[in-house]
Amino acid sequence: KQEVTQIPAALSVPEGENLVLNCSFTDSAIYNLQWFRQDPGKGLTSLLLIQSSQREQTSGRLNASLDKSSGRSTLYIAASQPGDSATYLCAATPGEYGNKLVFGAGTILRVKS
Amino acid sequence: NAGVTQTPKFRVLKTGQSMTLLCAQDMNHEYMYWYRQDPGMGLRLIHYSVGEGTTAKGEVPDGYNVSRLKKQNFLLGLESAAPSQTSVYFCASNAGGYGYTFGSGTRLTVV
Repeated sequence: KQEVTQIPAALSVPEGENLVLNCSFTDSAIYNLQWFRQDPGKGLTSLLLIQSSQREQTSGRLNASLDKSSGRSTLYIAASQPGDSATYLCAATPGEYGNKLVFGAGTILRVKS
Repeated sequence: NAGVTQTPKFRVLKTGQSMTLLCAQDMNHEYMYWYRQDPGMGLRLIHYSVGEGTTAKGEVPDGYNVSRLKKQNFLLGLESAAPSQTSVYFCASNAGGYGYTFGSGTRLTVV
């Protein structure tokens, strides 16, 4: 059974700092891995999706990497801003062709101005 | 605007009452999902559908039923609500193997 773990559970950083959020998964047989952002009381917004054949994806100040062999993914946020404050969730899609996401519990990020 | 719409946004139920949550998507997606989110935990899959007329159980299906009579709609029913079903419920859809679109959630409290 696939399990996804995110470390740290919470993170507080000063504005402008570069930061890394970590995600690990127990079964390397994944179809893809996604990172989401969730603002308080809101739904999930997809940030980056990495297919199993890819090593990384970039969007603006965000870069996500995937290492299937070690069961790890990282989300790198450059030059953090107060507007980046949110909960960040990673989710793995198990199997060769899967549709069901398995989520981590999330990292609550606070960027202080 | 294209997306996933959930109704209602908030609901309070008494133990033993029943209700239906509605999810509607206008992106012609084949796949639809219901998740629940509890404090300190990630989202957990309740039921899902791979196409009109199909449903399947997810990780935590007990106490819930679903129906997908029309491609654009996915209904989640609680037959006899229990306090353990107090949660935030999210609906999502996708075209299969690609990015997901989530609704804004339904906050349900069972007293």
